[in-house]
Amino acid sequence: AQRVTQPEKLLSVFKGAPVELKCNYSYSGSPELFWYVQYSRQRLQLLLRHISRESIKGFTADLNKGETSFHLKKPFAQEEDSAMYYCALGDRGGYQKVTFGTGTKLQVIP
Amino acid sequence: SAVISQKPSRDICQRGTSLTIQCQVDSQVTMMFWYRQQPGQSLTLIATANQGSEATYESGFVIDKFPISRPNLTFSTLTVSNMSPEDSSIYLCSVDSDRGGYTFGSGTRLTVV
Repeated sequence: AQRVTQPEKLLSVFKGAPVELKCNYSYSGSPELFWYVQYSRQRLQLLLRHISRESIKGFTADLNKGETSFHLKKPFAQEEDSAMYYCALGDRGGYQKVTFGTGTKLQVIP
Repeated sequence: SAVISQKPSRDICQRGTSLTIQCQVDSQVTMMFWYRQQPGQSLTLIATANQGSEATYESGFVIDKFPISRPNLTFSTLTVSNMSPEDSSIYLCSVDSDRGGYTFGSGTRLTVV
């Protein structure tokens, strides 16, 4: 079974401080990991995916298969980063059922 | 990426009634996905809708309670039938994004009283 765990419901950091949103997953197949973000009064949108190995809005995430983790990081938090962040897990090999974590609310304090 | 128009954005309904949620996509897509997000919880997949075939429901969700239509490649509806307060949730439709992952509709916030 697919499972995604985001241990923190709320993460508060000061502006300019580093950010790390934790995500651990459980899956026996070929995982594809995503981070989604929902800003206030906006729809849920894709932030980044591990296959792309991209940096979006200063955020990066590395898939660690040994630790089954996909933590989201940013070296210097900005106020506009305040949002709800969801980690999600799909299957690269076939049917794209996607399982979401419970989300972490990031609050950047000015 | 595709743009999804979802409506209604919110509704307050009496228990025992039904509500139909619509999603319109601005391009043709093979699969559409319906999710539910109960208060304080994660998104849970209800069903996958392919055009021209019956929807595939996830464990715990049944067609009688959540009938889905998919009449063409750009449109789908989800009906929440015989509602109870436990059905109060945000309902979301989504489609595959050309970036990978999903593009989501804006969601329907349903309150059952």
